[in-house]
Amino acid sequence: AIQMTQSPSSLSASVGDRVTITCRASQGIRNDLGWYQQRPGKAPKLLIFSASSLKSGVPSRFSGSGSGTDFTLTISSLQPEDFATYYCAQDYDYPRTFGQGTKLEIK
Amino acid sequence: EVQLLESGGGLEQPGGSLRLSCAASGFPFSTYAMTWVRQAPGKGLEWVSTISASDITYYADSVKGRFTISRDNSKNTLYLQMNSLRAEDTAVYYCAKDQGDSGYYAIDDWGQGTLVTVSS
Repeated sequence: AIQMTQSPSSLSASVGDRVTITCRASQGIRNDLGWYQQRPGKAPKLLIFSASSLKSGVPSRFSGSGSGTDFTLTISSLQPEDFATYYCAQDYDYPRTFGQGTKLEIK
Repeated sequence: EVQLLESGGGLEQPGGSLRLSCAASGFPFSTYAMTWVRQAPGKGLEWVSTISASDITYYADSVKGRFTISRDNSKNTLYLQMNSLRAEDTAVYYCAKDQGDSGYYAIDDWGQGTLVTVSS
């Protein structure tokens, strides 16, 4: 199975900060990667698909990049509603796998 | 608007069975792959199973042989039959719609989840 490793596991930041979360795949997955946001007690939401495509309705402060094994999610200017847990997931092959999550907390 | 409404969760004893249902609306159900993802209490997301629009099925090793995913396109409903339940199956189970038909697209829309608790 393809392992997805996110870093950091947790991150403290302030409103207005720029933050970057990294996801590394244990083998190449082309650009078959999505980023998901999960607020406490809520279902996950898709933010980015195909590594860099923004889902309709998602604010443009979210962006994704990468291909192959290394990927990043960047939030250009943190807003209060962005404090949540973020997951990457590959849809390149089965079994589908998620990263362990990055919890973004308010500093 | 895509809506996914899960039902069927609850408390079950180890070795027992449950069937989860997911009523879908707001999109042409038969043309999309559908997926179940679970989340144990305080843990991360774990993919469970996917069924493509052409009924090809995929399972996580942890549930293979015990869980069966199926769909009824006439009822716009996705199912997960869970047999031989174990304590480690305790989780919130999310029904989700993929972006495409094959099962090789991102998971696009999610239901609110249904809690399954396996305990004696």
